[in-house]
Amino acid sequence: DTEVTQTPKHLVMGMTNKKSLKCEQHMGHRAMYWYKQKAKKPPELMFVYSYEKLSINESVPSRFSPECPNSSLLNLHLHALQPEDSALYLCASSQARLVRGNEQYFGPGTRLTVT
Amino acid sequence: DAKTTQPTSMDCAEGRAANLPCNHSTISGNEYVYWYRQIHSQGPQYIIHGLKNNETNEMASLIITEDRKSSTLILPHATLRDTAVYYCIVRVAYSGGSNYKLTFGKGTLLTVNP
Repeated sequence: DTEVTQTPKHLVMGMTNKKSLKCEQHMGHRAMYWYKQKAKKPPELMFVYSYEKLSINESVPSRFSPECPNSSLLNLHLHALQPEDSALYLCASSQARLVRGNEQYFGPGTRLTVT
Repeated sequence: DAKTTQPTSMDCAEGRAANLPCNHSTISGNEYVYWYRQIHSQGPQYIIHGLKNNETNEMASLIITEDRKSSTLILPHATLRDTAVYYCIVRVAYSGGSNYKLTFGKGTLLTVNP
């Protein structure tokens, strides 16, 4: 099973709402990632978790709060977002040990619209 | 990670081989060449990677020049479903810290025409 699942597929939220994006994988990967992708742009890394601990935060605003409750799950909690945060949010996973490769497997993404 | 240069777009006829070039003249000895693609509105998909030798899998072949300053991804028999943005990325492949990062460039939009 090389699948990364993400829910929901689409999300519309107001600027005062609180919502969460969810990501799950069952490949035994111990590194998980959140990327943000604006229209017609390449994906940009937001966060990396390694062995359930936050390893990289790419200076992401605090209105985005990641959480890794266990080795299979990754959440992204959203609060007080701005319309410019509307984007495709991608989750990925990989082995945590970079041994000749470490390819990342991506989910289908959550299309977020902030109104 | 080394910077890569790819053409903005390419066209290919269905059934023909698609050859996607990538320049990475500043690649270091411990950096691998990775290829991912992203079909419209989907998550990126890993295709192949290599260090020095040419590599082949069920999806594609990767040809790396002897000086490692450039590479070519080959899709041997392109289909309409291969229409996507193809990203060439060079990065180290050892554990630790920022080495988890995968930095996407602008990629090449490959359009396969019937």
